[in-house]
Amino acid sequence: DTGVSQDPRHKITKRGQNVTFRCDPISEHNRLYWYRQTLGQGPEFLTYFQNEAQLEKSRLLSDRFSAERPKGSFSTLEIQRTEQGDSAMYLCASSRGGGETQYFGPGTRLLVL
Amino acid sequence: DAKTTQPTSMDCAEGRAANLPCNHSTISGNEYVYWYRQIHSQGPQYIIHGLKNNETNEMASLIITEDRKSSTLILPHATLRDTAVYYCIVSSYETGANNLFFGTGTRLTVIP
Repeated sequence: DTGVSQDPRHKITKRGQNVTFRCDPISEHNRLYWYRQTLGQGPEFLTYFQNEAQLEKSRLLSDRFSAERPKGSFSTLEIQRTEQGDSAMYLCASSRGGGETQYFGPGTRLLVL
Repeated sequence: DAKTTQPTSMDCAEGRAANLPCNHSTISGNEYVYWYRQIHSQGPQYIIHGLKNNETNEMASLIITEDRKSSTLILPHATLRDTAVYYCIVSSYETGANNLFFGTGTRLTVIP
């Protein structure tokens, strides 16, 4: 247990529905990252926050995806109008700051039917 | 960030040392070498990282060549629980984005 928690651990939804995932980072970690992992591939970067500011978004983060970290603590990742191609493991990581080691949570596995 | 090259898969006998190689020939002076592993259906687990000196912790040892173009992760006494995908990553220690580029890693299978 790294201290990063994610909820839910598993989510099954129907195509077109909206889903929201939550990540609680290690306490006092300023940086929070979201990654996505599809079957057989390594995790791919989606976006990151420095405190409450979202500083970078990958081109993988389409306009159906939105992430927030309103008080600089927990973060949410919402996917609107889900598609079957969104089926993946969504991973959250946190670090004390830029250039510091990232610690990952257990992930949320999403299946879109 | 510089990219890395790793073998797709390796086997290791239980109780023997597992030596996992990684090439990172385009590594920059401000980049660490990180190793993570991912056991099936879990999030990546941090193992170790280093800049230019060899490093050791309770999980593993990291040997970095003098020119920093390659490294080896050593699990001294592999157990069945070490079966996982191992990722070698180079990442800047400067305060930029620092997103980790994982690649596809090495699938290590520890054989009884």
